[in-house]
Amino acid sequence: GAVVSQHPSRVICKSGTSVKIECRSLDFQATTMFWYRQFPKQSLMLMATSNEGSKATYEQGVEKDKFLINHASLTLSTLTVTSAHPEDSSFYICSATTRGRGAPYEQYFGPGTRLTVT
Amino acid sequence: RKEVEQDPGPFNVPEGATVAFNCTYSNSASQSFFWYRQDCRKEPKLLMSVYSSGNEDGRFTAQLNRASQYISLLIRDSKLSDSATYLCVVNYFGNEKLTFGTGTRLTIIP
Repeated sequence: GAVVSQHPSRVICKSGTSVKIECRSLDFQATTMFWYRQFPKQSLMLMATSNEGSKATYEQGVEKDKFLINHASLTLSTLTVTSAHPEDSSFYICSATTRGRGAPYEQYFGPGTRLTVT
Repeated sequence: RKEVEQDPGPFNVPEGATVAFNCTYSNSASQSFFWYRQDCRKEPKLLMSVYSSGNEDGRFTAQLNRASQYISLLIRDSKLSDSATYLCVVNYFGNEKLTFGTGTRLTIIP
């Protein structure tokens, strides 16, 4: 149980285009979803936190107009990287939490999306 | 100073040996603690939560020292499959966000 999926698993796009990444909780309703970014040999850095039906809360230094997050339902959140540039190339990972399941504040991670901007 | 600090390693350990990692955290308001493992180019997976009394899960033992603000992970009888990056993760009181350390890379050598 507690499965989170991401789509696509890997994407290559040209500089200046936009890319949408989907994150779904398959067998539970996610109270909160998180979006992380991980550069090579670095740790996960939280980009934003989103709750269903409300605006996402972005971490300091993350441009909300560039990284658009939509949390349309309790099982789906999307991250759109707008006007992507090569420096946006990274591993994007989502996670979800649900109350009453798992250890307190345990997050269930999706398999990640590897974005390469050429 | 980073909120969660780990020795990045790498630790190259022979199969069957015992290896220990430490992690320190700076915010005394930290409430929950976890060890995750991350394989290359994969997502992190929860290894174990860390409780104040210490806890054990098979070959893995986690300890928490609140006074000194550090967490440890001990792996006994290491297996080749234990090769991964181990992430120390901290959660702060009243906040669902997790703060990740940079990870300690472990390679078990046959």
